[in-house]
Amino acid sequence: GAVVSQHPSRVICKSGTSVKIECRSLDFQATTMFWYRQFPKQSLMLMATSNEGSKATYEQGVEKDKFLINHASLTLSTLTVTSAHPEDSSFYICSASEQPSNQPQHFGDGTRLSIL
Amino acid sequence: GQNIDQPTEMTATEGAIVQINCTYQTSGFNGLFWYQQHAGEAPTFLSYNVLDGLEEKGRFSSFLSRSKGYSYLLLKELQMKDSASYLCAVRDGYSGAGSYQLTFGKGTKLSVIP
Repeated sequence: GAVVSQHPSRVICKSGTSVKIECRSLDFQATTMFWYRQFPKQSLMLMATSNEGSKATYEQGVEKDKFLINHASLTLSTLTVTSAHPEDSSFYICSASEQPSNQPQHFGDGTRLSIL
Repeated sequence: GQNIDQPTEMTATEGAIVQINCTYQTSGFNGLFWYQQHAGEAPTFLSYNVLDGLEEKGRFSSFLSRSKGYSYLLLKELQMKDSASYLCAVRDGYSGAGSYQLTFGKGTKLSVIP
């Protein structure tokens, strides 16, 4: 089945640090990947849709200058949390789906980000 | 707006059957998904319905009624390892390049007790 790899799995860093998270589709090409954020005991909230070769589409309330997304190839999307602060601490998860479009989204293992 | 409702918590006994309901009101519909999420882990895909009716997959079954905006996930022969959150998600918006967005419910935390 489709495999999505996400790295790193855990990050602990000081306030003001920028953190890059990678999301890779291992055995399929993904023209679109999705980035979610999940706070404790909350559901997944879509942050942005990452499109290969073009600008990401951000959901309302998500700062594009804060959360930089780069989808430079058909198998890799990156999310960079710039100048992270404690309120950015969360579980970040990426997903992608194979074509055709009726395939389910498969999720990476998530990145737990803790900003001190 | 998008609205997906499911119970917050449920408890069931090992070996029993449990049904987790989900109702939705979304601006578009292109399928309903159920995911399982263990604490601290990413969701894993369980089932998918796009047409009305029941889809069976081993111990898990999922039902959809599009006219009622209703789905349920049925778990049979419950095992302790089934203790997890179960997320109902509707594929609604089109994101371009052949992909659709998912809107998630808040999840139902299932506790299986001996």
